[in-house]
Amino acid sequence: DIVMTQSPLSLPVTPGEPASISCRSSQSLLHTNGNNYLDWYLQKPGQSPQLLIYLTSNRASGVPDRFSGSGSGTDFTLEISRVEAEDVGVYYCMQALETPYSFGQGTKLEIK
Amino acid sequence: QVQLVQSGAEVKKPGASVKVSCKTSGYTFSGYYIHWVRQAPGQGLEWMGWINPNSGGVMYAPKFQGRITITRDMYISAAYMELRRLRYDDTAIYYCARDMFTGDLDYWGQGTLVSVS
Repeated sequence: DIVMTQSPLSLPVTPGEPASISCRSSQSLLHTNGNNYLDWYLQKPGQSPQLLIYLTSNRASGVPDRFSGSGSGTDFTLEISRVEAEDVGVYYCMQALETPYSFGQGTKLEIK
Repeated sequence: QVQLVQSGAEVKKPGASVKVSCKTSGYTFSGYYIHWVRQAPGQGLEWMGWINPNSGGVMYAPKFQGRITITRDMYISAAYMELRRLRYDDTAIYYCARDMFTGDLDYWGQGTLVSVS
């Protein structure tokens, strides 16, 4: 099974400042079709998870452009250019290359 | 608009079974896989399996193989997740989610709390 490892696990950020979350997979997520099957989700307090980024770098519908994803192979990054108060919650990466799909442990973003 | 509405909270005893429903609307049910993901209290997300509503084909995480069954009802555009031989550590919120085609879960249900006690 593919193991996903996120860092940091806790991320205090001042509003307006940038933030970055790293996600590493135990094996490459690069498919033969050229896509890296890595998604990012945000779970706001008391809510269901929501899709932020799919296939490494594509923003889901309605996601602000301050969110961006990058990476390839086994190393991936989610960046928030300017954190806002509404961005608090737990961020998860997930690999969808092969079953069983697997999530990272989660990174809790809080506002300083 | 796309909606996934799940059944209400359940309390079960160890060894019992639970069946959670996920009623969908606002899109063509047969065209998108439905996944099930769970979250134990204060813990992260755990993928359980998916169903292809068109064919009825399923895929389960090995951890749940033998205890889980995912089914669908095409007439009412609903998916179901049954988990048998419940244990205390099956206490969790269970979510259904729609697959955008490449494993990306773009719409989620509100979650169903299953308590085993």
